[in-house]
Amino acid sequence: TQLLEQSPQFLSIQEGENLTVYCNSSSVFSSLQWYRQEPGEGPVLLVTVVTGGEVKKLKRLTFQFGDARKDSSLHITAAQPGDTGLYLCAGGWSGSARQLTFGSGTQLTVLP
Amino acid sequence: DAGVIQSPRHEVTEMGQEVTLRCKPISGHNSLFWYRQTMMRGLELLIYFNNNVPIDDSGMPEDRFSAKMPNASFSTLKIQPSEPRDSAVYFCASRGSGNTIYFGEGSWLTVV
Repeated sequence: TQLLEQSPQFLSIQEGENLTVYCNSSSVFSSLQWYRQEPGEGPVLLVTVVTGGEVKKLKRLTFQFGDARKDSSLHITAAQPGDTGLYLCAGGWSGSARQLTFGSGTQLTVLP
Repeated sequence: DAGVIQSPRHEVTEMGQEVTLRCKPISGHNSLFWYRQTMMRGLELLIYFNNNVPIDDSGMPEDRFSAKMPNASFSTLKIQPSEPRDSAVYFCASRGSGNTIYFGEGSWLTVV
């Protein structure tokens, strides 16, 4: 069973602070995605990374895929209240009908 | 464009009753997923259809759960009989030719 562990589980910070959340697994993934879920909504895709060591930036968000494709991180610079939400990583691997395994999630709260 | 449409948005039912959740995927998408989200277990894949055919239903908890996709624009997830432990948010999601999975807003089920 491929498992994705996310840390921290909960994070509460002040507006303007930086933060990093982590997604770790013992399995090698062919791709890894990050989603954000707001209350009462479904998850929305933020980014997909497919190459070991790959770094992608989305405004104040920086995503990195580990060299061994077993882990990933999401760094947010100068967090804003609008960044509040549940951040989910999801790993995919070729040859599996399950397509994606979701991590346990990090609940981020950014206080004004 | 309309996203993934789910109904009902909220349902409260008594233990033992039948529950039917409905989903209309995004037009043109050939993959459809049913997920269940709870605080304890996070986001779990229940079943995955490709071109209306169930590909992987190993995530379906037990025989009380069944899913159908009679055509490309409609799917149902049925629980009969329902139990309190089935209380969760049930998400339908669809995907086209790319890697992005689009989630609906979810159906919030409470079984009392």
